[in-house]
Amino acid sequence: GAVVSQHPSWVICKSGTSVKIECRSLDFQATTMFWYRQFPKQSLMLMATSNEGSKATYEQGVEKDKFLINHASLTLSTLTVTSAHPEDSSFYICSAMKQGPAREQYFGPGTRLTVT
Amino acid sequence: GNSVTQMEGPVTLSEEAFLTINCTYTATGYPSLFWYVQYPGEGLQLLLKATKADDKGSNKGFEATYRKETTSFHLEKGSVQVSDSAVYFCASNFGNEKLTFGTGTRLTIIP
Repeated sequence: GAVVSQHPSWVICKSGTSVKIECRSLDFQATTMFWYRQFPKQSLMLMATSNEGSKATYEQGVEKDKFLINHASLTLSTLTVTSAHPEDSSFYICSAMKQGPAREQYFGPGTRLTVT
Repeated sequence: GNSVTQMEGPVTLSEEAFLTINCTYTATGYPSLFWYVQYPGEGLQLLLKATKADDKGSNKGFEATYRKETTSFHLEKGSVQVSDSAVYFCASNFGNEKLTFGTGTRLTIIP
């Protein structure tokens, strides 16, 4: 199989604090992981592409200083929402790309962030 | 730019009914097309895909055909089951691996 986990599955934090979300590929290595954001009843919006050992590539309009991404190993990428505000409340989903010709993305179950 | 438009939900059907969820795309070339499914409490899973015109993707009784002339990739199943209840996402990419998703369609099947 190809399993991707996210931790935590949900988190509540206060405005101004930072929160870290982990994305792990449990049974395969992933040089590339993706971070998405999903608003209620809307599509998944790609935030950034995370590459192991190098800086993440952010999509237009995504603040790199606010959404810090670290891909320190072939099985772990983290997204840190810094100085969170209520408008950052959302569902964050990661995916990991399995190496090989198919290059299929495997998705984590998502993390629900609520900023109060 | 590239975009994917899919049928608004929610969709509610009786068991054994025929299912169609429409999906169309706009693109400057010929993307690969995908259907993902998200069961409650789980991550998105690839349901089926097609990489070129006239290809048919199929899995678990679901089918979708890549139609270049109508820029469509409609999802169909002849007889749905309660276990098919989930959210379905249409998506496209151009080989750069960045997926563009539709808004998702919530499907509920009632016994």
